[in-house]
Amino acid sequence: AQSVTQLGSHVSVSEGALVLLRCNYSSSVPPYLFWYVQYPNQGLQLLLKYTSAATLVKGINGFEAEFKKSETSFHLTKPSAHMSDAAEYFCAVSVSNNNNDMRFGAGTRLTVKP
Amino acid sequence: DAGVTQSPTHLIKTRGQQVTLRCSPISGHKSVSWYQQVLGQGPQFIFQYYEKEERGRGNFPDRFSARQFPNYSSELNVNALLLGDSALYLCASSLTGQINSPLHFGNGTRLTVT
Repeated sequence: AQSVTQLGSHVSVSEGALVLLRCNYSSSVPPYLFWYVQYPNQGLQLLLKYTSAATLVKGINGFEAEFKKSETSFHLTKPSAHMSDAAEYFCAVSVSNNNNDMRFGAGTRLTVKP
Repeated sequence: DAGVTQSPTHLIKTRGQQVTLRCSPISGHKSVSWYQQVLGQGPQFIFQYYEKEERGRGNFPDRFSARQFPNYSSELNVNALLLGDSALYLCASSLTGQINSPLHFGNGTRLTVT
């Protein structure tokens, strides 16, 4: 079965610094991969998704992620952190054409220091 | 346009009781999925419905059931509540339920079982 592992439950960066949130996946077939963001007391919002097109995926709010099959990774990056980026980030994987078997990681809480 | 709406926002129940959670999808969306998010973890898939038919079911006991109505709204029912059912229950809608049709999440219902 497919799964994702998010390395680091908490990441803290300074405002303006690079954001790097790590996600490794496990799948026996080519996966679909996603990053979601969750602000306090809210649902999840899709940041970006990889569906076997370009390996470098650009998302909303300046985030991007690169699919690396050799490393089974899909790390999320942003060149310059803003205070408003502070939130919980979830990596997710699916291997079917339906979005009903999406497996989420445990999440990484991003803190941005002034 | 209104997003995915869930009611109630908070709920406190006693062990052994039954609960019904409600979800209204984005207008035009025909698929509704339910997820359970335990504190400190990522969401876990419970059910997906499309055009009133169950499309998928996660690894949850039969105490959990759901249905979708002709107007595409949905209810999640949980019987014989256990302390471990305390969680944020998220509803997500999508146009078709296919992988290229993004999930749009509501803000969730926070269920506390005492």
